[in-house]
Amino acid sequence: GQNIDQPTEMTATEGAIVQINCTYQTSGFNGLFWYQQHAGEAPTFLSYNVLDGLEEKGRFSSFLSRSKGYSYLLLKELQMKDSASYLCAVPHSGTYKYIFGTGTRLKVLA
Amino acid sequence: DVKVTQSSRYLVKRTGEKVFLECVQDMDHENMFWYRQDPGLGLRLIYFSYDVKMKEKGDIPEGYSVSREKKERFSLILESASTNQTSMYLCASSSGSRELFFGEGSRLTVL
Repeated sequence: GQNIDQPTEMTATEGAIVQINCTYQTSGFNGLFWYQQHAGEAPTFLSYNVLDGLEEKGRFSSFLSRSKGYSYLLLKELQMKDSASYLCAVPHSGTYKYIFGTGTRLKVLA
Repeated sequence: DVKVTQSSRYLVKRTGEKVFLECVQDMDHENMFWYRQDPGLGLRLIYFSYDVKMKEKGDIPEGYSVSREKKERFSLILESASTNQTSMYLCASSSGSRELFFGEGSRLTVL
């Protein structure tokens, strides 16, 4: 079957670095997405990885290891506005459906 | 600015009522999706459509139907609303297997 696991909650301090992990099991692989969702709002796209390695986008980076079925989202220089849920998602093999993890709720403390 | 627009942000309905949730996208995307989101359960796919008049069941289609008569519009229908359908409903669209663009969500309460 196909499955995604993420930690439920994380807490970090303003200015710090936090790493949010995601492990997945899929019968095929067509990339991995990260979305950010603030409370009461819709998810917004953060990053997409299809090849192994690190993709950097400003304060946010995303890493993928296809052999390990593992990804992480790295947030640097945390700001209060980064308090949100972070969703990991993979396309369902052979379709345009996406499987989402339950999301990691990140709280950034002053 | 690309956009997915959902017709209602907040709705309150009574048990047994028929409910229509409308979604329109302006990006000429072929794929459109309806998800519901509940605390602790994450995003669950109800139905999706990969072309006009085409639809496929997602993981939780029971109690729902959909309609896609035009490429830009995807409607979710609750034939007879029940209290367990109280949820946040999110519409999304995509091109191929690229990222999803979400609407702002419709929070439905069924009394």
